[in-house]
Amino acid sequence: EVQLVESGGGLVQPGGSLRLSCSASAFTFSNYAMYWVRQAPGKGLEYVSAISNTGGNTYYADSVKGRFTISRDSSKSTLYLQMSSLGPEDTAVYYCVKERGTVTMMRTFDIWGQGTMVTVSS
Amino acid sequence: QSALTQPASVSGSPGQSITISCTGTSSDVGGYDYVSWYQQHPGKAPQLMIYDVSNRPSGVSSRFSGSKSGNTASLTISGLQAEDETDYYCSSYRSGSTYVFGTGTKVTVV
Repeated sequence: EVQLVESGGGLVQPGGSLRLSCSASAFTFSNYAMYWVRQAPGKGLEYVSAISNTGGNTYYADSVKGRFTISRDSSKSTLYLQMSSLGPEDTAVYYCVKERGTVTMMRTFDIWGQGTMVTVSS
Repeated sequence: QSALTQPASVSGSPGQSITISCTGTSSDVGGYDYVSWYQQHPGKAPQLMIYDVSNRPSGVSSRFSGSKSGNTASLTISGLQAEDETDYYCSSYRSGSTYVFGTGTKVTVV
């Protein structure tokens, strides 16, 4: 069964940094684009960042551009999100998501992890 | 980046059909057939229900169907059941290599 397991969330002070990880299993990780999506408490879903299957192309929502960096390590089947200059507005559950089809990108967000909570507060 | 517009809530009786709309622009919903719909139960991760406007992943009930006309996509749930009561989100590719979700709709089975 395809599985995505996020880790790395927690409480961080405003202005701080955090790195999220997402361990993937049961599929050929290097064949699929991957994403991060977040959901603030009681709010809707927000696209955060995308990375192509090779890692050669990365994209960011305007709200995180310049502060977040997405990356992947295919040898470890792991997706990362390095977050810096965090503010209260970044408080959310962060989901790791797999693209449905190979080669394609930003078409269908297929399999979702269970999410990891990031809280930015002093 | 503005979200796609969905009604905040939709309700129906068991057995009835309901439709949730998702309105965007020619830069997203109207310009691409990459509209998806997700179901999210409280405290759980979203689950893909419809992709590419009208396709159902394996395992999703045929009671769920999708369509699109112009800049508005729709999700129809037929034969409404108590277990369908939860939140639904649409999404679409948006020109400029970005992605957008809808504002979300709470479905209530009355």
